[in-house]
Amino acid sequence: GAGVSQSPSNKVTEKGKDVELRCDPISGHTALYWYRQSLGQGLEFLIYFQGNSAPDKSGLPSDRFSAERTGGSVSTLTIQRTQQEDSAVYLCASSLFGSGTRFQETQYFGPGTRLLVL
Amino acid sequence: GQQVMQIPQYQHVQEGEDFTTYCNSSTTLSNIQWYKQRPGGHPVFLIQLVKSGEVKKQKRLTFQFGEAKKNSSLHITATQTTDVGTYFCAGTSTAGNMLTFGGGTRLMVKP
Repeated sequence: GAGVSQSPSNKVTEKGKDVELRCDPISGHTALYWYRQSLGQGLEFLIYFQGNSAPDKSGLPSDRFSAERTGGSVSTLTIQRTQQEDSAVYLCASSLFGSGTRFQETQYFGPGTRLLVL
Repeated sequence: GQQVMQIPQYQHVQEGEDFTTYCNSSTTLSNIQWYKQRPGGHPVFLIQLVKSGEVKKQKRLTFQFGEAKKNSSLHITATQTTDVGTYFCAGTSTAGNMLTFGGGTRLMVKP
C-alpha cells in the first residue's frame, strides 16, 4: 500500500511567518512521530501520537511548535513565528502499534519537508 | 522485514568499569545511528555511522560499524554515573525509508 506522505516537500518562508506541515501516515498505523533533522545530524524527536492517548510533546523545542492529529490519521505540525534556526528537514513517521516500546518498533518515514526560513 | 537485535538488554556495572552493547541487523544497512535515552526522556542522537568498518570516538565512547554493515557496537570506557540510560541503535534500510530501532540496552552504573 501507500507509504507515509508529507507535504509540502519544500517550504521557503520569511522569518516571523507561520508554517503548517502535513503528514499522512500509513493507513492503519496507530502511532505517528514527528522528528526534525538538521544538516548532518540525526533525528531530533519532536512529538509522538498513539491512538487516542494524549500526545508526548516532550521533544517540542518551544511553545511556537504545536501539532495535531485529527481522527487518528492525518497530522499537522505548526510552527508559529518561524525563526532561522527552525530551518531543517521535518520528518514524519508512523508505526503499527507504538505501544510502550514505541521506539523499538519499525518506523516508516515519509520523504520529509525541507523548511528554509529566510 | 528488517529486524535489529541488541544485546544485552540490561547491564549493571561498577563505576569505572567498561561497557559494550552490540547491535545486529537482519539486513544490510545504509547507516546506523546510536541514541541515548535517559530515564523518562526520549532518545537523543549520539552519532551516525555510514561507511563499512567505520570507527568513531566521542570522548569515552567508541562506535564501530561492521564490515558487512549489518552490525555495530558502542563501547564506553570507564563508565560514570552520568552514563546511566538506555542506549539504542537504529538502522536505516538501504532503501532509506525505514528506521528500525534495536531493543535498547539499559545501562546501570553503581557508584
